[in-house]
Amino acid sequence: EAQVTQNPRYLITVTGKKLTVTCSQNMNHEYMSWYRQDPGLGLRQIYYSMNVEVTDKGDVPEGYKVSRKEKRNFPLILESPSPNQTSLYFCASSFMVRQPQHFGDGTRLSIL
Amino acid sequence: TQLLEQSPQFLSIQEGENLTVYCNSSSVFSSLQWYRQEPGEGPVLLVTVVTGGEVKKLKRLTFQFGDARKDSSLHITAAQPGDTGLYLCAGANAGGTSYGKLTFGQGTILTVHP
Repeated sequence: EAQVTQNPRYLITVTGKKLTVTCSQNMNHEYMSWYRQDPGLGLRQIYYSMNVEVTDKGDVPEGYKVSRKEKRNFPLILESPSPNQTSLYFCASSFMVRQPQHFGDGTRLSIL
Repeated sequence: TQLLEQSPQFLSIQEGENLTVYCNSSSVFSSLQWYRQEPGEGPVLLVTVVTGGEVKKLKRLTFQFGDARKDSSLHITAAQPGDTGLYLCAGANAGGTSYGKLTFGQGTILTVHP
């Protein structure tokens, strides 16, 4: 089954404790991206990757890191999480940015 | 930063009514996508419009891309309770240094009452 898999689905952690949210897709997609979703703000793009080893900042990259060492995986790293990063996060993939985005089921992060 | 202004933010209507959701921007997009999101799930694509002036229909849903590719609308005819959900528009940058960016509107929460 074609899918985008995010882990974990839920995480409660404390300020400053490094965490990684994994994202994996099995559709051989070139384009992958991360979003955060907050009430009233819609989805805001954090980082995107056009293909392996190529990443670029979205609209809200501060406090986040990504890497794209292989096509299928695109982890989101929070080196020193802060409470303002409490949010619902989505990973998505597609063949290219103008193609339909396939979203994961989301990761709800709470940073205390 | 490109912005997509989506309106209205909330819409509460009775079954059988018609409605229109708008996405507007001062920027040109190479394509405009519409998604629907259910609670606890990721957004799911409804349609992509690419050409200025393009109109696409999906059963009772009609999508239109503005002639200048800066705006789009979603019209639902005879809304049903099953249409309830969060509707999102998303524009792909037309080019330049932000070619890979995808900009989402704030979303419209639609509630259709039986």
